[in-house]
Amino acid sequence: DQQVKQNSPSLSVQEGRISILNCDYTNSMFDYFLWYKKYPAEGPTFLISISSIKDKNEDGRFTVFLNKSAKHLSLHIVPSQPGDSAVYFCAASTMGSQGNLIFGKGTKLSVKP
Amino acid sequence: ETGVTQSPTHLIKTRGQQVTLRCSSQSGHNTVSWYQQALGQGPQFIFQYYREEENGRGNFPPRFSGLQFPNYSSELNVNALELDDSALYLCASSLGGVRSDTQYFGPGTRLTVL
Repeated sequence: DQQVKQNSPSLSVQEGRISILNCDYTNSMFDYFLWYKKYPAEGPTFLISISSIKDKNEDGRFTVFLNKSAKHLSLHIVPSQPGDSAVYFCAASTMGSQGNLIFGKGTKLSVKP
Repeated sequence: ETGVTQSPTHLIKTRGQQVTLRCSSQSGHNTVSWYQQALGQGPQFIFQYYREEENGRGNFPPRFSGLQFPNYSSELNVNALELDDSALYLCASSLGGVRSDTQYFGPGTRLTVL
């Protein structure tokens, strides 16, 4: 049973436009959420995180929104660039989980010039 | 600042063999977590080591074991390899103890079991 779900396996966006990647979770005990980006033949790279006490966190072109009542978070990339093309993973953890990050299956983003 | 490194990059083994994968944590980090990423899936937590002690374990059998050394580098050992063990094995380091939320990943070791 997947606790973190990324229902869109892929997303294609035009350069300069907004990319919105979505993530749903089922465990209401999750209190910390992260987004990672992964290029082929590399490990996941940390992008941005958000604590459950917030509903928004922004870092440059990347913004993460958290809707606790809907158990949904999203990553917005504005403006999208071809170098953003990668697989994006959503991950979640709970207090006391001792480092156990629960990952979704990922969404492959393609940004076309 | 040195990032997380892993060795080897690729490895081919046959069923029943044993394998050891290695990880050097990012400088200043004292916690190492290991993940298995099967094709088309997200990484799945195997276990975590903090100050040389196992600090948490996912749903993996005992034939998956690990070590952390005084310099915080780590090993993942897998005995009696099975075909389903073929995957990308990722090591992540962080600074923390009980709670290590932001983990920084290495490039991974691709293990193929024939």
